[in-house]
Amino acid sequence: EDQVTQSPEALRLQEGESSSLNCSYTVSGLRGLFWYRQDPGKGPEFLFTLYSAGEEKEKERLKATLTKKESFLHITAPKPEDSATYLCAVQAPIQGAQKLVFGQGTRLTINP
Amino acid sequence: DVKVTQSSRYLVKRTGEKVFLECVQDMDHENMFWYRQDPGLGLRLIYFSYDVKMKEKGDIPEGYSVSREKKERFSLILESASTNQTSMYLCASSDWNQPQHFGDGTRLSIL
Repeated sequence: EDQVTQSPEALRLQEGESSSLNCSYTVSGLRGLFWYRQDPGKGPEFLFTLYSAGEEKEKERLKATLTKKESFLHITAPKPEDSATYLCAVQAPIQGAQKLVFGQGTRLTINP
Repeated sequence: DVKVTQSSRYLVKRTGEKVFLECVQDMDHENMFWYRQDPGLGLRLIYFSYDVKMKEKGDIPEGYSVSREKKERFSLILESASTNQTSMYLCASSDWNQPQHFGDGTRLSIL
């Protein structure tokens, strides 16, 4: 069964304090791994797609990396506006389309 | 930018009512999806559609149905609403092998 586990569930950092969020996955035939950001009361907002081990993507203070078993979202010198829930999902094939299997997310709080 | 619009942000209905949630996308995407999001359970796929008039069950389809009469519109129907269907409902769309883009959700309360 396809499964995604994110850790930690919640993380509180001071502004400027770098850290990493983890996403471990098991999937039969990875078609892609996705990172989303979700603000309270909003839908998930797409950040990155990673397709193969060793791949890295960057956007402002965020960098996503991928290995054969897990992905990391590195946050460098975060600011309060980076506070959100970060969701990881893996893409698996399903009849006629592609299904996303989501982790439960990491709730990140950046204190000024 | 991709825009996925859900018709209501908040909705309150009574047990036993038939409930319609509407979703429209403006990017001519082939695929559309309905999820529900609950604390501790994450996002779970209810139904999806990969073409007009096509629909497939996701992981938790019981108590729900869907309709896709036009490419841009995907409706979720609660046939007879129950309190355990109180949740945040999220619609998404995508092209094949591309990221899914989400609407802002409908927070549905069943009393």
